[in-house]
Amino acid sequence: GNSVTQMEGPVTLSEEAFLTINCTYTATGYPSLFWYVQYPGEGLQLLLKATKADDKGSNKGFEATYRKETTSFHLEKGSVQVSDSAVYFCALSDQGAGKSTFGDGTTLTVKP
Amino acid sequence: DTGVSQNPRHKITKRGQNVTFRCDPISEHNRLYWYRQTLGQGPEFLTYFQNEAQLEKSRLLSDRFSAERPKGSFSTLEIQRTEQGDSAMYLCASSLGADRRNQPQHFGDGTRLSIL
Repeated sequence: GNSVTQMEGPVTLSEEAFLTINCTYTATGYPSLFWYVQYPGEGLQLLLKATKADDKGSNKGFEATYRKETTSFHLEKGSVQVSDSAVYFCALSDQGAGKSTFGDGTTLTVKP
Repeated sequence: DTGVSQNPRHKITKRGQNVTFRCDPISEHNRLYWYRQTLGQGPEFLTYFQNEAQLEKSRLLSDRFSAERPKGSFSTLEIQRTEQGDSAMYLCASSLGADRRNQPQHFGDGTRLSIL
């Protein structure tokens, strides 16, 4: 079956540091890949997505590239802010039902 | 776009009682999904609907769980004879589907269930 493996956290960075959160996946076919973010006390929000190999998703300074050869979708941001503190989830959805398989989440804390 | 709405936000009940949660999806979305999330883990798929038809159920969904989506609008998730292990956050999501593949899911804020 499908699976998503995320870099274990928690991750603590200073403001303006570079962020990478690793994500690798196992899937049949050609899934779509997503990063969701969950701020304290809130629901999951879509951060970015990529639907085919070599696509780059980007939003709010975050980027991730769909790498089919390495089955990866690593999340990056060049300069994090305190407001980026949240839990980040990598996910894939299959082509049929569209149901999503999530990683276990990575908690990011950014200190001023 | 008023977003996905879930009620109640919190539910505390005694073991053995029945509980029902409601989800109101984004109005034009024909797909609706239920997930369960426990502390420190990502959401796990439970079931999904295309309009009013329930098309897939996870093996996580025991016989005590039932979901409905009458008329293809709101959905309810009922848990009968609740057990301690049912304590979790129950998330609802909706999306466009069918001819529109790879659409992202929009999540509600969830219903947190605590079993005493």
